[in-house]
Amino acid sequence: QQQVKQSPQSLIVQKGGIPIINCAYENTAFDYFPWYQQFPGKGPALLIAIRPDVSEKKEGRFTISFNKSAKQFSLHIMDSQPGDSATYFCAASIGGYQKVTFGTGTKLQVIP
Amino acid sequence: DGGITQSPKYLFRKEGQNVTLSCEQNLNHDAMYWYRQDPGQGLRLIYYSQIVNDFQKGDIAEGYSVSREKKESFPLTVTSAQKNPTAFYLCASSKGDRANNEQFFGPGTRLTVL
Repeated sequence: QQQVKQSPQSLIVQKGGIPIINCAYENTAFDYFPWYQQFPGKGPALLIAIRPDVSEKKEGRFTISFNKSAKQFSLHIMDSQPGDSATYFCAASIGGYQKVTFGTGTKLQVIP
Repeated sequence: DGGITQSPKYLFRKEGQNVTLSCEQNLNHDAMYWYRQDPGQGLRLIYYSQIVNDFQKGDIAEGYSVSREKKESFPLTVTSAQKNPTAFYLCASSKGDRANNEQFFGPGTRLTVL
């Protein structure tokens, strides 16, 4: 019930394309869904997060779409750039003090 | 600068040795976490602590130990009981506030067993 399933494992798009990364969860008690971006040899950093009371959130070129009934959420990167090449993790948690459950990660490569 | 520091960046260990990874934060965060990262497996939680002098096992605690004697510090010991310790170890902290559960990560320690 604590698992978060993420797909695809890897993704290659051309510059300007719109990569989409999908995540699914089972535990309906999750109430916080962040996405983290990690560059090689570095720690992850929060990119954008959403709560289940909204269906979409945009921050710059990054958009989270959230489907509560399907228990799925996805990350879209508009006008992708080579600098977006990184590993992206979706995650979910319950409340502020609970542990965060991470997906297995998607390695994105944006080619010029 | 506020943030999380981890040391050392690279660590080499001989089989049968215990090693301790350092994690320090000056963000005044209550909660701290240790994760292990292996290729294709994402981030797996080893231990977490919500408050000083208290900590809980995560999903893969066997072969690891922690302490939380100070709010700022959460060291992780990789013991000889951990059969496959070669990995990238990440420490994180968060306010623990329900309104903002963002985790701040350190730069990581890469442990290699020789």
